[in-house]
Amino acid sequence: GQQVMQIPQYQHVQEGEDFTTYCNSSTTLSNIQWYKQRPGGHPVFLIQLVKSGEVKKQKRLTFQFGEAKKNSSLHITATQTTDVGTYFCAGRNQFYFGTGTSLTVIP
Amino acid sequence: DAGVIQSPRHEVTEMGQEVTLRCKPISGHNSLFWYRQTMMRGLELLIYFNNNVPIDDSGMPEDRFSAKMPNASFSTLKIQPSEPRDSAVYFCASTRATLAGLTGELFFGEGSRLTVL
Repeated sequence: GQQVMQIPQYQHVQEGEDFTTYCNSSTTLSNIQWYKQRPGGHPVFLIQLVKSGEVKKQKRLTFQFGEAKKNSSLHITATQTTDVGTYFCAGRNQFYFGTGTSLTVIP
Repeated sequence: DAGVIQSPRHEVTEMGQEVTLRCKPISGHNSLFWYRQTMMRGLELLIYFNNNVPIDDSGMPEDRFSAKMPNASFSTLKIQPSEPRDSAVYFCASTRATLAGLTGELFFGEGSRLTVL
């Protein structure tokens, strides 16, 4: 079953504030992927991290893979209303998705 | 290019009825996944096919659920008999697997929202 946990489960932020979600696995991951699901939509791939300690950036989004390859984080700088949605990490050969973090951005 | 195509988009049925959900993966993709999403349980992997062969069905809830992939361009997920607790959004996803394993992103369909009364 699922062995990837995410925290927090929900996060409400004011527009312009930063946001971080954390993904933790009980086992070492070969790689990790992040997805975003807009309300009423389907998960859409954001990025994949492979190397220990890897950091990747996409505009205001920063993704990090832990040194032990058991945890990962997604940080959004200066949130916008377009960032609303649920963010999932997927590990264990990308089959299993984390519990997700639902982000609400208050204008 | 067409993405993953699922049908029906919405299904409302009564308890005890048979439900069949359909999926057409992206052409050229050789791995197909069925997921179920609910508020309580999140996004659960039900079953995964590689080259039309079921590889991991440990997530299939019980014998009422069955999935088939008769060819590379079509898969079905069947629930018989359906129960109210099966109400959820069912997603199909596909990707290309290599001999080294699954390394690519999953492409999801828009989902089939099932309501069992």
